[in-house]
Amino acid sequence: EPEVTQTPSHQVTQMGQEVILRCVPISNHLYFYWYRQILGQKVEFLVSFYNNEISEKSEIFDDQFSVERPDGSNFTLKIRSTKLEDSAMYFCASRRGGDEQFFGPGTRLTVL
Amino acid sequence: RKEVEQDPGPFNVPEGATVAFNCTYSNSASQSFFWYRQDCRKEPKLLMSVYSSGNEDGRFTAQLNRASQYISLLIRDSKLSDSATYLCVVNPLYNFNKFYFGSGTKLNVKP
Repeated sequence: EPEVTQTPSHQVTQMGQEVILRCVPISNHLYFYWYRQILGQKVEFLVSFYNNEISEKSEIFDDQFSVERPDGSNFTLKIRSTKLEDSAMYFCASRRGGDEQFFGPGTRLTVL
Repeated sequence: RKEVEQDPGPFNVPEGATVAFNCTYSNSASQSFFWYRQDCRKEPKLLMSVYSSGNEDGRFTAQLNRASQYISLLIRDSKLSDSATYLCVVNPLYNFNKFYFGSGTKLNVKP
């Protein structure tokens, strides 16, 4: 069964450093998403991506964040200068066109 | 007001019990509704979509009440493996590409 994959599973970084979180969505899916979940809190929408451009972003998704689909298979989330409060699980999800989103296993980001 | 609100629980029930969760949403124009299940430190997984007429999948029944703006999930004959956090997810009509998650309701099924 096809699945969304994410790498790395855990990323530790120093405050102020740049990180890139990687996702490989399901191959025939058209819509891509990033979410974050701070420990003990709810899943929060960050951004959606369709047809090689951002279709929607939340207020969390400020200039520190960017997304790319560089090669037709990977979907990346870059955080330019990490802050302590960026520590969270980051989930990638993809959707073909129906309602259901499929989530990847997540990347745990720890900012020290 | 939050887009989606859920009772955080926990709901502690014995095996075999029937348990129900509700979720309220603030935007009357909301289009699509879902229940996801999330195990500790894992990704959310779709449990079921919620249709206007209500729908059932085995031991799970989902209902939508548009007039009162809530959706419900009923679990019959609870199993130990049903222990998880249940997330209510809403997709607004005005934005097909944005999904709002509730903070989840924790269920503990005990032997």
